Amino acid sequence: LAKTTQPISMDSYEGQEVNITCSHNNIATNDYITWYQQFPSQGPRFIIQGYKTKVTNEVASLFIPADRKSSTLSLPRVSLSDTAVYYCLVDYNNNDMRFGAGTRLTVKP
Amino acid sequence: GAVVSQHPSRVICKSGTSVKIECRSLDFQATTMFWYRQFPKQSLMLMATSNEGSKATYEQGVEKDKFLINHASLTLSTLTVTSAHPEDSSFYICSGKGVESYEQYFGPGTRLTVT
Repeated sequence: LAKTTQPISMDSYEGQEVNITCSHNNIATNDYITWYQQFPSQGPRFIIQGYKTKVTNEVASLFIPADRKSSTLSLPRVSLSDTAVYYCLVDYNNNDMRFGAGTRLTVKP
Repeated sequence: GAVVSQHPSRVICKSGTSVKIECRSLDFQATTMFWYRQFPKQSLMLMATSNEGSKATYEQGVEKDKFLINHASLTLSTLTVTSAHPEDSSFYICSGKGVESYEQYFGPGTRLTVT
């Protein structure tokens, strides 16, 4: 079974910042946290990966508190094209690649 | 990021026949490859993990004799759905990871329809 928990769905409006939080209470010391985006009938696309504190790239930021039992994906100023399913994945014991249910984000005009 | 391809992107087959799906890592060596199945509006379900040159490790509930996985090289893994039935119709996605890598790269998926 997957070891992550996310909200099933979220709604937002264009231009807003969206924060999606993932819980991973049993994360191990060497595990990384990775977020993926998936559009219908496509394979997941890598968004961002982190181990602790904060990571930022050109599309998102990832915030990880000190205890690492959760992480928050932050999407700045979303657009309609950001409507997708977002998955949080924690690499347990290297290669335990089970996905959780994901969060279906709907961006409205 | 690295690129993973899948072939075919779509396939329709008759019930009882077998179909092979190829997964290739185009610009990296995938020591580990993963096969997922995804039904409409559901999450990806891990079917099996394969390491190059070794037998695949199947998830509970996935029949290894029905879903044959071969990972013969560092750039190619194949999934063969044997004696396919309509309930096997799904979206099959593969991914690959390199040595000492925490990131997996996904293929575009293969839509299988069994009639």
